[in-house]
Amino acid sequence: DQQVKQNSPSLSVQEGRISILNCDYTNSMFDYFLWYKKYPAEGPTFLISISSIKDKNEDGRFTVFLNKSAKHLSLHIVPSQPGDSAVYFCAASRVGGSNYKLTFGKGTLLTVNP
Amino acid sequence: NAGVTQTPKFQVLKTGQSMTLQCAQDMNHEYMSWYRQDPGMGLRLIHYSVGAGITDQGEVPNGYNVSRSTTEDFPLRLLSAAPSQTSVYFCASSPLAMNTEAFFGQGTRLTVV
Repeated sequence: DQQVKQNSPSLSVQEGRISILNCDYTNSMFDYFLWYKKYPAEGPTFLISISSIKDKNEDGRFTVFLNKSAKHLSLHIVPSQPGDSAVYFCAASRVGGSNYKLTFGKGTLLTVNP
Repeated sequence: NAGVTQTPKFQVLKTGQSMTLQCAQDMNHEYMSWYRQDPGMGLRLIHYSVGAGITDQGEVPNGYNVSRSTTEDFPLRLLSAAPSQTSVYFCASSPLAMNTEAFFGQGTRLTVV
């Protein structure tokens, strides 16, 4: 039973346009969400996070939106750049219960075309 | 600033062999974990530790063993390698504080033949 779902295995966008990556979760106990970016042959690197007490967090070109009622979050990248081409993983954790384990989605491969 | 260091980067094992994947972090993080990444499966938690001397199982612990004798090191042992353990393994660490991210190593690509 997959608790964090990224239903789009891949996404292709043009440079300069917006990239929107989606993530759904089923466990209502999750209260902290993260996005990681992963290039080939490298480890995942942290990109941005959001706590369940917020509905939006912004960091430069990256914005994460959280809709708790729909158990849905999305990552917006504006404007997209070729260097953003990577696999993006959504992850969730239950911080309040002293459980720091991350549950990951399967990832979305983003390709930004010049 | 090394962060999380994994060795080796690549390894080929024969079925039935044992080996240890090394992980070390220099950030004084209490929490460390091991994940495996398989095509189309995302990252799945194998084992984790919330401090020296304390370990627990994750989602896919079978066939693996861990120990945490120091804060810095968290080795992952494959007891008797099987082809199903062919994967990319990532070690991660994070501080035991609320709402913090995990830092990952560069991974170990393991092939069991």
